[in-house]
Amino acid sequence: DTEVTQTPKHLVMGMTNKKSLKCEQHMGHRAMYWYKQKAKKPPELMFVYSYEKLSINESVPSRFSPECPNSSLLNLHLHALQPEDSALYLCASSQDGPAGGYTFGSGTRLTVV
Amino acid sequence: AQRVTQPEKLLSVFKGAPVELKCNYSYSGSPELFWYVQYSRQRLQLLLRHISRESIKGFTADLNKGETSFHLKKPFAQEEDSAMYYCALGGTGRRALTFGSGTRLQVQP
Repeated sequence: DTEVTQTPKHLVMGMTNKKSLKCEQHMGHRAMYWYKQKAKKPPELMFVYSYEKLSINESVPSRFSPECPNSSLLNLHLHALQPEDSALYLCASSQDGPAGGYTFGSGTRLTVV
Repeated sequence: AQRVTQPEKLLSVFKGAPVELKCNYSYSGSPELFWYVQYSRQRLQLLLRHISRESIKGFTADLNKGETSFHLKKPFAQEEDSAMYYCALGGTGRRALTFGSGTRLQVQP
């Protein structure tokens, strides 16, 4: 398995909802990432997990809460989001760090209404 | 501070013409540079990385530390090369990649 799988592919949520995004990889990669991508913009780093520990939080608002339950799984819990949080949320993984390059998932397109 | 600059938002060429997508970087350490490609409705994919010095789909890129550049080149563009291309920077001690703003390559028939 050489893929990063993200679910759901699309999500519409209200500003008072709580939802979660899921990311899974079975390549034995020990680093996993959440990026946010707005239309026609590059991916912006949100969080980095290295060996299941949070190593980078790029000053992301607390309404986004990451979780890494095991080495294959990465979640992003969402609560009380704003319409401006609507974006494509990308998960990526890499062997150990970024040196070998990332494998990206296809993303979850989130719309906050 | 680390930065990746892709000066062109859009590059339009005709099929068979040479292509050069520009990427400049700013980084105080030893850089690792990558090119990623995103075809329409597909996920971001690694195209090539400077450390492997490979050629993928006819594309090459050479790291020029003197000019702090990592331009992507292809001698003869094909219509299927039309996509969004992102240059990305990693490096010693960095825990994640920083992406440039991207260049959309449009290859016309």
